[in-house]
Amino acid sequence: RKEVEQDPGPFNVPEGATVAFNCTYSNSASQSFFWYRQDCRKEPKLLMSVYSSGNEDGRFTAQLNRASQYISLLIRDSKLSDSATYLCVVYSGYSTLTFGKGTMLLVSP
Amino acid sequence: GAVVSQHPSRVICKSGTSVKIECRSLDFQATTMFWYRQFPKQSLMLMATSNEGSKATYEQGVEKDKFLINHASLTLSTLTVTSAHPEDSSFYICSANGARDQETQYFGPGTRLLVL
Repeated sequence: RKEVEQDPGPFNVPEGATVAFNCTYSNSASQSFFWYRQDCRKEPKLLMSVYSSGNEDGRFTAQLNRASQYISLLIRDSKLSDSATYLCVVYSGYSTLTFGKGTMLLVSP
Repeated sequence: GAVVSQHPSRVICKSGTSVKIECRSLDFQATTMFWYRQFPKQSLMLMATSNEGSKATYEQGVEKDKFLINHASLTLSTLTVTSAHPEDSSFYICSANGARDQETQYFGPGTRLLVL
């Protein structure tokens, strides 16, 4: 089983749509969780951390379910500029981040 | 925020040559630097972790004699791909974190290597 698994993509949605990404992780001892965004041919950039209580940053909402080892990202009112690959990332100690394969989002006019 | 630079951003070389990639933390001291490789449509795969002044720790399956890492100072780490072959063509990304926050890594812009 892969350490971090994500929905296969790409997700094609129209502007204004709401889209949700899911992620599962295998290491129950994982400590921290993040969503990164990666544009084509660019480095990944931190989008937001994910907390057990759930957290929101504008149009983005992240949720964590430790019991199910499940992480989600919800994007409301999608913009063209949201088109990118979204990476689920898990920190399990020793300064090591484990990246999921990523889910590509394509927002069309 | 913390800035990490990489040089070069893109390199094309002939098979059999060696390529050096530099990773610098510009405004902070990086106690640990990381080297990742990303093939098309794949996730970032950690190649090695390096701490200043000590030998790098390589992930399973990564040849340490082929991918030489030097972390001589708190602001510079280099990755040398020795005797590069076409299968080494990839996107190489470095990252760094400071002493206080082990969870946060600041990524360089990446180096795209094409071996002909």
